[in-house]
Formats: sequence, structure tokens, C-alpha cells
Amino acid sequence: EVQLVESGGGLVKPGGSLRLSCAASGFTFSSYSMNWVRQAPGKGLEWVSSISSSSSYIYYADSVKGRFTISRDNAKNSLYLQMNSLRAEDTAVYYCARYNDLTRFDYWGQGTLVTVSS
Amino acid sequence: SYVLTQPPSVSVAPGQTARITCGGNNIGSKSVHWYQQKPGQAPVLVVYDDSDRPSGIPERFSGSNSGNTATLTISRVEAGDEADYYCQVWDSSSDPYVVFGGGTKLTVL
Repeated sequence: EVQLVESGGGLVKPGGSLRLSCAASGFTFSSYSMNWVRQAPGKGLEWVSSISSSSSYIYYADSVKGRFTISRDNAKNSLYLQMNSLRAEDTAVYYCARYNDLTRFDYWGQGTLVTVSS
Repeated sequence: SYVLTQPPSVSVAPGQTARITCGGNNIGSKSVHWYQQKPGQAPVLVVYDDSDRPSGIPERFSGSNSGNTATLTISRVEAGDEADYYCQVWDSSSDPYVVFGGGTKLTVL
């Protein structure tokens, strides 16, 4: 059974940093591109970042470019999102999602809430 | 950037058919994926590549895509289908290249 479990969310002040993790199991993690997708309270889904299976290709939404860094450790079956210079508008539930055929998200984690507030 | 437009809400009585649209410029040339999200839960893929269903998704869920509109159709709607539904495309010429629609709240009357 495919499982994605996020952790690392919490309350942080504007300008602060946070590192999210996503532990993957039930599939060959190193064979899949992975993504972070977020959802602000009461709002829709917003793609944040993606990373290819070997970390060769990395992409970011303009809204987080230069502030967030995606990475992965295939030996640990883990995906990460380092978030710096956080803003109130980054407040959201952050989901880890597996990329299938590089076009669709076929499995999602349960999400971790990030709240940026003073 | 590429824009996907969904109606904010759709209402349907139990047992009837719900149709949720997703509009985009020449969307018929792209593969459209649909997600169901119930309150407090993560999204679930219900239709991919316009009309295919992942394993475990009931046949009541189907999709179509042509011209400027893609449609998710839910037949014989049940109370448990009440949720938010999002369409999504991947567009290599767009920035960002992953685009979600704004979401549609399906209410079962």
C-alpha cells in the first residue's frame, strides 16, 4: 500500500523558516517524481514544487521561487521542503504528492499545516 | 499562464447525474485529471487522462474532454459524493506547468 506521511508543520513567525518532510513507503520511491502542493484555508489547490526521481529536474511556482527548496533522499525514501522567509500568505496545508506519468498526482499524503503568524 | 475555470458550486438530488465542467483554451488538446476532496481530507484522483478511472473508483465517475470544456460526470449521485472537485492539467508551455481549476463544491440535496 502506497503511503505518504508529512511532518514538520507548525506555527512560525513571518520571516522564519521551517522544513517539511514526507516519508514514503509501499512503492519504489526512487522511480517517481514527487511534488508539494498546498492549500490555503478555505481555498483551492496550488502546486508548489516538483523534483524528478534523481533530483536532476526541479521546478518551483513563482510564488515560492527563491525562498523554498525541494530535495529528496532516495536512500531514506524521503522528500523535503525547506521553507525560508515565510510570509502570511504561505499559511496552508502542505501535501506531498506522487507524480504519475509526469502529469497527474496519483497518491497524496494527509497534509501538514503551516501557519505563519506573529 | 494557463487558466482553468470551474463553476463554484453544483447541486444535485440523490440518484441524479451531476456534471462538473472545467473550461480552458483548447483544453481538448490536453489531458485532464480530476480530484475529489472531502472536508478535512487529502484529494483523491478520481479520473485521469480525460476519462480513465484509477482502480477502486466507481464506474459512476466518468469524464470527457473536447474543445474548450472538460466534464466530470457522476451518475446516480450518492450523499457520499458531496465534496470539492478539482480539475488539473499539465501544460509544458505554461508557467507554472501544473495548473488546477478553482474547484467546484458538489452539494447533494
